[in-house]
Amino acid sequence: DAGITQSPRHKVTETGTPVTLRCHQTENHRYMYWYRQDPGHGLRLIHYSYGVKDTDKGEVSDGYSVSRSKTEDFLLTLESATSSQTSVYFCAISGSGATDTQYFGPGTRLTVL
Amino acid sequence: DAKTTQPPSMDCAEGRAANLPCNHSTISGNEYVYWYRQIHSQGPQYIIHGLKNNETNEMASLIITEDRKSSTLILPHATLRDTAVYYCIVRVGTANAGGTSYGKLTFGQGTILTVHP
Repeated sequence: DAGITQSPRHKVTETGTPVTLRCHQTENHRYMYWYRQDPGHGLRLIHYSYGVKDTDKGEVSDGYSVSRSKTEDFLLTLESATSSQTSVYFCAISGSGATDTQYFGPGTRLTVL
Repeated sequence: DAKTTQPPSMDCAEGRAANLPCNHSTISGNEYVYWYRQIHSQGPQYIIHGLKNNETNEMASLIITEDRKSSTLILPHATLRDTAVYYCIVRVGTANAGGTSYGKLTFGQGTILTVHP
């Protein structure tokens, strides 16, 4: 399995609080991604990074921000969590090039009350 | 990216081959066919991918028709642990404003494969 860890694995928080999820890789891959998975919607891309300090939006980026200060870490922040952000969040990594395979982490289950 | 069509569910007996079909009739010449699976509550797991030729690895075989409009994932000897949702995805790289690229994955609803004893 690709060396990807996510923390925390589970989190319960209240509406309006800030939340940061961490993705850590040991593969030295260039690309990192954040997806969310909800019933009926499959996986949807939130943000991705193509290098240190280089990020871009995905299809459902509103309400989320990301940062990547080191190759191995990609952080996803919910500045003010809402109940609609209750979801399972997956991080993925890939090398470089359009056809490189994406490998996924174990996921973080976030519940916003 | 081309859309894919998969049956919503399939059953397979343990020890038998599981053949999962996927239609991608609008696939472009530079799009690859990828297969992932997701076991309950886990992250998607990469299985195999191909462009034109049939591919085989330790997990599965991928058969792509000559016109590339459909493909079949074959698990040669299914086990109970192969029970999962299987996703067929066609994918091409996308250039962003910075001139770099990434390969967007678009997950559909997939096929729920149930392997029974």
